[in-house]
Amino acid sequence: GQQLNQSPQSMFIQEGEDVSMNCTSSSIFNTWLWYKQEPGEGPVLLIALYKAGELTSNGRLTAQFGITRKDSFLNISASIPSDVGIYFCAGPYDAGGTSYGKLTFGQGTILTVHP
Amino acid sequence: DTEVTQTPKHLVMGMTNKKSLKCEQHMGHRAMYWYKQKAKKPPELMFVYSYEKLSINESVPSRFSPECPNSSLLNLHLHALQPEDSALYLCASSHMSGNTEAFFGQGTRLTVV
Repeated sequence: GQQLNQSPQSMFIQEGEDVSMNCTSSSIFNTWLWYKQEPGEGPVLLIALYKAGELTSNGRLTAQFGITRKDSFLNISASIPSDVGIYFCAGPYDAGGTSYGKLTFGQGTILTVHP
Repeated sequence: DTEVTQTPKHLVMGMTNKKSLKCEQHMGHRAMYWYKQKAKKPPELMFVYSYEKLSINESVPSRFSPECPNSSLLNLHLHALQPEDSALYLCASSHMSGNTEAFFGQGTRLTVV
C-alpha cells in the first residue's frame, strides 16, 4: 500500500525559531493534508492542499504541495510554546481516487518548543 | 460548525464487559469513520460508513462492532476486548464530494483491564 515518509521524527526547538517538516511518497497524491494533534485530543486539520505547486498559508503556518505530487512540506514560523504537539501529513488512501476521507498518515513529527 | 463529538472521553472496561463508544456530527457529512490510535503513532483506519452503510472494514476483529443509526450518529460496540485493544479511538467525518478532508473528534481513551 501507499506509504508516507515523514521527517524529521522529532524536533526540539527554542521559542521563536522556524520549523520545517516534510512528507514524501513513492506514489502520486492528489491531496495533501496537514494535521496537528495535541496530547489527549484528536487531530485537527491545519491545511489542505489540492493542486500541485500550491502554496497555502494559515497564520504562521505555510504548506506546499510538491510539483511532482509526491511530496509536501509544512513550515511554522516564529514558533511559540502552544505549537507543541504531533504533526501528521496525510493523503487519500487511494492516491488517484476519491477516498472520501479514508486517509493514509505519515508517522508524525513530534514538536517540542522550549520557552 | 466543524465539530465531531465523541463520548465518553475516557473509558475503563474489563475483558468481559460490553460497552459502546458514541460519535455525533451535524455537518451534513455522509461519510463517517472509526480510527484506532496507539501512543505517538498515526491513526489506523478501522471502519468506513458511506450513507449509513458499512463500506470498509479493515479486517477488524469481531469484538468491535460498528453501527450507524442515522446520518449524524456512529457507534462502536465493544465486547470481550483484550488489554492490547487499549488505545485512543477516534471518530471522523467527511463530505462525500471527493473532498478528502476528514474532521476528527477528540477521541475516547479506552483502557481494557
